Amino acid sequence: QKEVEQDPGPLSVPEGAIVSLNCTYSNSAFQYFMWYRQYSRKGPELLMYTYSSGNKEDGRFTAQVDKSSKYISLFIRDSQPSDSATYLCALWNTNAGKSTFGDGTTLTVKP
Amino acid sequence: DAGVIQSPRHEVTEMGQEVTLRCKPISGHNSLFWYRQTMMRGLELLIYFNNNVPIDDSGMPEDRFSAKMPNASFSTLKIQPSEPRDSAVYFCASRRDREVAEAFFGQGTRLTVV
Repeated sequence: QKEVEQDPGPLSVPEGAIVSLNCTYSNSAFQYFMWYRQYSRKGPELLMYTYSSGNKEDGRFTAQVDKSSKYISLFIRDSQPSDSATYLCALWNTNAGKSTFGDGTTLTVKP
Repeated sequence: DAGVIQSPRHEVTEMGQEVTLRCKPISGHNSLFWYRQTMMRGLELLIYFNNNVPIDDSGMPEDRFSAKMPNASFSTLKIQPSEPRDSAVYFCASRRDREVAEAFFGQGTRLTVV
């Protein structure tokens, strides 16, 4: 079983919809929880990260972490066609000094 | 800053040939990572360096793969001999230091082995 499992998608939504992207993990050693966005034929870029359980908001994006359930989510409000990309969750283990990535969910927002 | 620079952007080679991928990390970053991305396996960490020293190479698939970081501004990933199953996008990423989670990725090298 993988350390990080991500809902595979793909996901297709109309413009303006609320999008929910999710990952589960098994290793309690993960301490930082990140979301990367990857546009086609580009490298991933960090979108948001959080350290603790709870919600963190940045504009239309909200990252949610539930450490007790080992579950993380990214919500996108008022989705736009420019949000069309692959979203990867990444969990960082400070002791190991490295991140483990989910396989990614490809999102398409249709105008 | 120009970001993480990888070369070449695309590489097509014949099975059995040696392939060398190159990476220049962001100046001042102490950690460097090599990843491989495929549809089947997602983004896999191959190896990472801290202060030019390999820390974890457990993701390197087999002896045909080797990576070096001779100085803080340059790293190579070599595949010799290459096989069709090595076809993937290879990313290099750098991070300021071990205590910082955020990694900055290059544009990737798309490798096709025929």
